[in-house]
Amino acid sequence: GAVVSQHPSRVICKSGTSVKIECRSLDFQATTMFWYRQFPKQSLMLMATSNEGSKATYEQGVEKDKFLINHASLTLSTLTVTSAHPEDSSFYICSAPDPAWNYEQYFGPGTRLTVT
Amino acid sequence: DAKTTQPTSMDCAEGRAANLPCNHSTISGNEYVYWYRQIHSQGPQYIIHGLKNNETNEMASLIITEDRKSSTLILPHATLRDTAVYYCIVRDFNTGKLIFGQGTTLQVKP
Repeated sequence: GAVVSQHPSRVICKSGTSVKIECRSLDFQATTMFWYRQFPKQSLMLMATSNEGSKATYEQGVEKDKFLINHASLTLSTLTVTSAHPEDSSFYICSAPDPAWNYEQYFGPGTRLTVT
Repeated sequence: DAKTTQPTSMDCAEGRAANLPCNHSTISGNEYVYWYRQIHSQGPQYIIHGLKNNETNEMASLIITEDRKSSTLILPHATLRDTAVYYCIVRDFNTGKLIFGQGTTLQVKP
């Protein structure tokens, strides 16, 4: 199957600062990527759809000015958590559909964000 | 909202078959059923998917009822490493989105 990577795997930041998380499709091009958030003992919640060359589309209730998404190339999408607060501490996961595999979605390993 | 319902948890003895049920009574004719699993603190792993026919791969089998309102994921010989949360998902045909429900926590016991 296809490979999706995320960087960093873990990050700790202070309240009020911004954090950028990268999602890369390593062996395929992805015009679309998806960002999820997962709190402890809960399921994944879809946050937004990242579209290469255009604006991201956000799910209801997700603040687009707080979670900035940039899909700069066909292999890279970034999620920036701006002015992070402790309640933003979560596990952030991206996924990308691989056109070579009937657009099956492959998930990255996740990024654990802790805001102190 | 997720279009699937699954039992919260299940146990299975090591070496035995694990049968995980899923209800998706509102599934549309062109929507696929996908199964993923998530081992603690990792990204979800794709297992299998199907439209209306039964499917099998090296990991599992997927049995879909004729009316497509429910399905069962079968792990033929469960091992301790199969302990995970298993998600049954109906993939949105138009957007490709995967909306996760609560999943089933499968505990494989020695």
